[in-house]
Amino acid sequence: DSGVTQTPKHLITATGQRVTLRCSPRSGDLSVYWYQQSLDQGLQFLIQYYNGEERAKGNILERFSAQQFPDLHSELNLSSLELGDSALYFCASSVGNGRGETQYFGPGTRLLVL
Amino acid sequence: QQPVQSPQAVILREGEDAVINCSSSKALYSVHWYRQKHGEAPVFLMILLKGGEQKGHDKISASFNEKKQQSSLYLTASQLSYSGTYFCGTEGLANSGYSTLTFGKGTMLLVSP
Repeated sequence: DSGVTQTPKHLITATGQRVTLRCSPRSGDLSVYWYQQSLDQGLQFLIQYYNGEERAKGNILERFSAQQFPDLHSELNLSSLELGDSALYFCASSVGNGRGETQYFGPGTRLLVL
Repeated sequence: QQPVQSPQAVILREGEDAVINCSSSKALYSVHWYRQKHGEAPVFLMILLKGGEQKGHDKISASFNEKKQQSSLYLTASQLSYSGTYFCGTEGLANSGYSTLTFGKGTMLLVSP
């Protein structure tokens, strides 16, 4: 158990819908990272937040957005869902702003878009 | 740019050794190694930092050649529990100036009795 929690574990929804994934980092960690893992794309970095501020962006679609709240939990919002958005979404956290730091991954949210 | 891992897959018998390689074309701050079992979260194994510092599990060893931007993970006396997909993540600079991890496609390892 890494100490990172994610809810929900599974999510089934329809195309065009909007969902929110939630992540709570390990106690004391200030950075939260979001990753998407699909069979053909592997583990793709989406976005990083550090202490409430966006730090780095990866291949995140405009339909996706995220935020980190004052209590340091983070939410990833996925809208206008498409079949191709079906994937495992992982959240990870690290102590500081990320450079040279270990990232600890949560158990993931499995999203299925029908 | 995504680092290249080799081999793509390897099958071992319990007790045998394996080496997994990770190569990047970018200058790196660090290389991170993770193991993931099917449907589960990636689990941290090792981080190798520029300058030689390493942090990780006692039973795992790895190397980082900073000049060649290459890293290798050494799995010795493999156990059944070593089975899974191994990912290397390379840490380089993002456009924002902050570093991010880019993961390779993974190396599938199967250890059989």
